[in-house]
Amino acid sequence: QLQLQESGPGLVKPSETLSLTCTVSGASITSSNYYWAWIRQSPGKGLEWIGSIFFTGSTIYNPSLQSRVTISVDTSKKEFSLQLTSATAADTAVYYCATQYYDFLTGLKWFDPWGQGTLVTVSS
Amino acid sequence: DIVMTQSPDSLAVSLGERATINCKSSHGILYTSNNKNCLAWYQQKPGLPPQLLIYWASIRESGVPDRFSGSGSGTDFTLTISSLQAEDVAVYYCQQCYSTPYTFGQGTKLEIK
Repeated sequence: QLQLQESGPGLVKPSETLSLTCTVSGASITSSNYYWAWIRQSPGKGLEWIGSIFFTGSTIYNPSLQSRVTISVDTSKKEFSLQLTSATAADTAVYYCATQYYDFLTGLKWFDPWGQGTLVTVSS
Repeated sequence: DIVMTQSPDSLAVSLGERATINCKSSHGILYTSNNKNCLAWYQQKPGLPPQLLIYWASIRESGVPDRFSGSGSGTDFTLTISSLQAEDVAVYYCQQCYSTPYTFGQGTKLEIK
């Protein structure tokens, strides 16, 4: 079945770039039924959608983070990645990758399944 | 942005009793094209990621017990657990998928009384 797994550094220094990768297994990353999403969860801000990408490279970002976020996809490796620049302590969170269901007529929908999540701490 | 507000923030219910969680959106989330509300409910247990329970406000995801049900339309939605089981202790979130940015409620923590 479809599974996702996040990987990347658990500690990032302030002002540096937070980089994570999500590996997809059990389904095709080139499926037209899904977008691939990043979501984070912190005690202060709860669950926050960061952005989503289609296998073609088409992206949609949360405007609150858009100036600092890049999501990319590598279909040959069955991976998609997150880069968040100029990290601050406010970016400390558990980061999840997830599959976002795509309906051709009405657009992006809910998230299922999610990866297990990875804690990223921004600290010197 | 559409703000999702859940109530209550926490809830304690006896085993076998009904649990009701509310979710209110700051903007209507009904698609007129298909007459469906773009709302999902998730369950999150400690140390685990959220898991999809319900989508289109009332459709149970495959494998979800039928004691879970979703209802509502427009701006007001409800997740009901008809007979609380011990394994239902978790935090529950609603999420709107009507417009970007996709937003979640703050969560409702469900415990056993």
